Amino acid sequence: NSKVIQTPRYLVKGQGQKAKMRCIPEKGHPVVFWYQQNKNNEFKFLINFQNQEVLQQIDMTEKRFSAECPSNSPCSLEIQSSEAGDSALYLCASSPGGQDTQYFGPGTRLLVL
Amino acid sequence: GDQVEQSPSALSLHEGTGSALRCNFTTTMRAVQWFRKNSRGSLINLFYLASGTKENGRLKSAFDSKERYSTLHIRDAQLEDSGTYFCAAEATGNTGKLIFGLGTTLQVQP
Repeated sequence: NSKVIQTPRYLVKGQGQKAKMRCIPEKGHPVVFWYQQNKNNEFKFLINFQNQEVLQQIDMTEKRFSAECPSNSPCSLEIQSSEAGDSALYLCASSPGGQDTQYFGPGTRLLVL
Repeated sequence: GDQVEQSPSALSLHEGTGSALRCNFTTTMRAVQWFRKNSRGSLINLFYLASGTKENGRLKSAFDSKERYSTLHIRDAQLEDSGTYFCAAEATGNTGKLIFGLGTTLQVQP
């Protein structure tokens, strides 16, 4: 029921490498969220945007990730220097508003060797 | 920090029976969403509630912000209901970020 597109579906990187993933939100959804889900089903909020502006982000994202949502281009989330602990499923969600239903994409599964 | 405690962690039902999943919140939440993870691993939206109850087919959900809980009732369970169910809540005064429970793995048996 979601039209959020995430690419790639799978990503394998070595430690220290950059890892970049992209998200195309549903049409007409100005708000985009990124979450990280680990193998224990723990979800961690990373960052959200309204249009091109960052609304909120956690400390880890500010220090180690680069994220943007340019107009007329996919949103992206990039780990600047991958660590083994970054291996997880990265989920993008979009929403019609900041406090509204969030629709999730299928995720990008990152494996850091 | 704000937490969402989801129970049970695992549930087994026979076809045609029903049960309830519950999420308790450690603080007042503004809204709750319920999801089911499908066989391809995607999160499927079931409900979004800012208050009260909603029903969709054999599923019914309730959210009580004051009492800090939400429930998801499944009746007449079918084999295709098997999967992992998550609740996720929005804290008040936030930018909409969701705080997830750890999920309930439901297995429906013939």
